[in-house]
Amino acid sequence: AQSVTQLGSHVSVSEGALVLLRCNYSSSVPPYLFWYVQYPNQGLQLLLKYTTGATLVKGINGFEAEFKKSETSFHLTKPSAHMSDAAEYFCAVSVTGNQFYFGTGTSLTVIP
Amino acid sequence: KAGVTQTPRYLIKTRGQQVTLSCSPISGHRSVSWYQQTPGQGLQFLFEYFSETQRNKGNFPGRFSGRQFSNSRSEMNVSTLELGDSALYLCASGGVDGYTFGSGTRLTVV
Repeated sequence: AQSVTQLGSHVSVSEGALVLLRCNYSSSVPPYLFWYVQYPNQGLQLLLKYTTGATLVKGINGFEAEFKKSETSFHLTKPSAHMSDAAEYFCAVSVTGNQFYFGTGTSLTVIP
Repeated sequence: KAGVTQTPRYLIKTRGQQVTLSCSPISGHRSVSWYQQTPGQGLQFLFEYFSETQRNKGNFPGRFSGRQFSNSRSEMNVSTLELGDSALYLCASGGVDGYTFGSGTRLTVV
């Protein structure tokens, strides 16, 4: 079975500060890992994904995440937060590629 | 290319009624998945269809059903609505380039 734990349901950062959103996963087989962002009353937008290969994955809007198998983690970072980054972020795991298990989400607030 | 289209965007129904939600995937995509999003339970997988066949199913009661047509459009049906079915229902369209989510249908059961 697969599962995802997102540490911190709410994270606040100052504009220009580092963004770090934590995600740990559980999977009995090598997983695919994803980060999605959701703005109010919208669907999910893919930020980045890890399938195979390079463990440091770069996504859209300056976000990146590193797959660390030994730590079963896939934390999301961005060097400098922007006001437009305020949203809900979801980490997800999949082993089949067509069924996702999502974490409970982290709400990011950016303080001007 | 056009995105994933979910209709309607908002819906209000009464307990006991049934509802049908529609999802039109990206052209060329053959897989459609459905998810329920609620504040209490988060995002939960309902089912996935591929080429008109249900390929995976989540842990939801039989009141939740779906189908997929030959043009890959999918519908989700919920019968005998309960207050707890109030949620954002998201559809995801899948192809070789991955999955894209629609904006969802917000269902409110009163």
